[in-house]
Amino acid sequence: EAGVAQSPRYKIIEKRQSVAFWCNPISGHATLYWYQQILGQGPKLLIQFQNNGVVDDSQLPKDRFSAERLKGVDSTLKIQPAKLEDSAVYLCASSLEGVGVGRRTGELFFGEGSRLTVL
Amino acid sequence: AQSVTQPDIHITVSEGASLELRCNYSYGATPYLFWYVQSPGQGLQLLLKYFSGDTLVQGIKGFEAEFKRSQSSFNLRKPSVHWSDAAEYFCAVMFSGGYNKLIFGAGTRLAVHP
Repeated sequence: EAGVAQSPRYKIIEKRQSVAFWCNPISGHATLYWYQQILGQGPKLLIQFQNNGVVDDSQLPKDRFSAERLKGVDSTLKIQPAKLEDSAVYLCASSLEGVGVGRRTGELFFGEGSRLTVL
Repeated sequence: AQSVTQPDIHITVSEGASLELRCNYSYGATPYLFWYVQSPGQGLQLLLKYFSGDTLVQGIKGFEAEFKRSQSSFNLRKPSVHWSDAAEYFCAVMFSGGYNKLIFGAGTRLAVHP
């Protein structure tokens, strides 16, 4: 079974430029997550989708970050304009069950991440 | 507020020694509990998880963790560490009644001396 695919693996941009990251979750997984992991810190949830709807984006800086999950499969995360503090690894994860499903396995499967450096 | 605390930022052990990584959470009810491992340049891999039942859970790579409700803790242990265990370890908590939201601790970086 293929895992969670992310691209690009690495991206270097200057501040105020824009960048987009792509994620292809495991086939059939209803829930998709984007996490930001700053060096030396644990991953922080940015946004969570169930199918193509947003269930939690409370920590997404909406003035510069946007995300979408078209057709409930692939997802893109965009940053525009980027700031120095956006330098981080952006992790995508997916899980099989959706919100409200009676039995939760709770396991998230993570991609290898996209490392962003903002100069 | 819901939170996850990993008190130790760095831990160094000798190969073959035992290991215990600490994790505490703050929540009014019993959450779902996880330990993930992250090797350099790699994604996060699930080591083990606890939902209910037996409070001692076994995971992959010889790891185990014990849930202690009275201490709001879920510490990770391994009786004999191998050099390949050097990595960063994250405790994570999924709070019930929500949207399967997974919150991570800050992580503990493990170094293994030969």
